Amino acid sequence: KQEVTQIPAALSVPEGENLVLNCSFTDSAIYNLQWFRQDPGKGLTSLLLIQSSQREQTSGRLNASLDKSSGRSTLYIAASQPGDSATYLCAVKRNQGKLIFGTGTRLQVFP
Amino acid sequence: DADVTQTPRNRITKTGKRIMLECSQTKGHDRMYWYRQDPGLGLRLIYYSFDVKDINKGEISDGYSVSRQAQAKFSLSLESAIPNQTALYFCATSGDTTDTQYFGPGTRLTVL
Repeated sequence: KQEVTQIPAALSVPEGENLVLNCSFTDSAIYNLQWFRQDPGKGLTSLLLIQSSQREQTSGRLNASLDKSSGRSTLYIAASQPGDSATYLCAVKRNQGKLIFGTGTRLQVFP
Repeated sequence: DADVTQTPRNRITKTGKRIMLECSQTKGHDRMYWYRQDPGLGLRLIYYSFDVKDINKGEISDGYSVSRQAQAKFSLSLESAIPNQTALYFCATSGDTTDTQYFGPGTRLTVL
């Protein structure tokens, strides 16, 4: 059974810091991995999607990497800002479109 | 306007009541999903549908049923609500198995 773990569960950093969020999964047979952002009272917003054949994806200050063999993904946020404060979720896609989610990392960036 | 909408956004109900949560999308996607989110457990898949004639159980379907009324509409029903169904419910859509999933804003359901 696929399990997805995110460490740390919570993180508080000063504005401007570069930071790394970690996601690990137990079964390497995945189609892709997605990183989402969730703001309080709102739905999930997709940030990056990495196909199983890819090693990384970048969007602005965000960079996500994927190492299928070790069952790991990292989300790198450069020059963090208070507006980055949210919960970040990773999810791996198995067959038939099913997503298996981690429990998330709650990030707070303070001025 | 939002691409994926959910109604109601908040609902408080009593044990034993029948509840329906509705989801509509304007993205033209065939695939739709219902998830629930509980603190410390992440999101878990309840049901999913790949087209109007296709309904599949997810990992936690007991106590729930769904109806795909049209390509754009997918509703989730709790036939007899119980307190441990108190959670945040999300609807999502995707274009195909490799595409990004797009989520609605969620429905916060409380069962007393």
